[in-house]
Amino acid sequence: GQQVMQIPQYQHVQEGEDFTTYCNSSTTLSNIQWYKQRPGGHPVFLIQLVKSGEVKKQKRLTFQFGEAKKNSSLHITATQTTDVGTYFCAGWGTYNTDKLIFGTGTRLQVFP
Amino acid sequence: NAGVTQTPKFQVLKTGQSMTLQCAQDMNHNSMYWYRQDPGMGLRLIYYSASEGTTDKGEVPNGYNVSRLNKREFSLRLESAAPSQTSVYFCASSEPPLNTGELFFGEGSRLTVL
Repeated sequence: GQQVMQIPQYQHVQEGEDFTTYCNSSTTLSNIQWYKQRPGGHPVFLIQLVKSGEVKKQKRLTFQFGEAKKNSSLHITATQTTDVGTYFCAGWGTYNTDKLIFGTGTRLQVFP
Repeated sequence: NAGVTQTPKFQVLKTGQSMTLQCAQDMNHNSMYWYRQDPGMGLRLIYYSASEGTTDKGEVPNGYNVSRLNKREFSLRLESAAPSQTSVYFCASSEPPLNTGELFFGEGSRLTVL
């Protein structure tokens, strides 16, 4: 079945440093979404990417969808303590568009 | 506008007991989902319902049953709870991905099985 892996599993950074998490799917995705989950909270939608090679920006966050639509990345520039949480990618399959499979997540800790 | 509401928020069960987690959404979404989240394991799909009247297995369906009672409600039942089912359970709803496909999550139900 479809599997979605993320690396790294954990990342600790000093406030102001950059952060990147990578997402890789075993199958081609129709689109990919990113979610953020604060400690003790529930996942909250950040963005969706649909087109091959698509790049989207939200303030300090840059999201990229790979050319083959099997991988994606999230880059945060100049991290802040408010960025703390776990970031998940999630993919809709090309053939089964009824269910969203989540990646394993990257937990980000930011030290002031 | 409540979004997705889950009950109960916390539950402690003994091995072998049964219980039902309730979920309701007020966004008129067709699709609903149940995920479980274990430390370091991310979110794993248990069951989903693409539309009222249909349910399908996800990645980890064993030990669970679901009911899509109507368009608003999607319940998850544990018939005979096991310690391995200790987890945080999230219900979510969405429109199909041809639209936005964004999932809206409830606040979660923390289940402990002793």
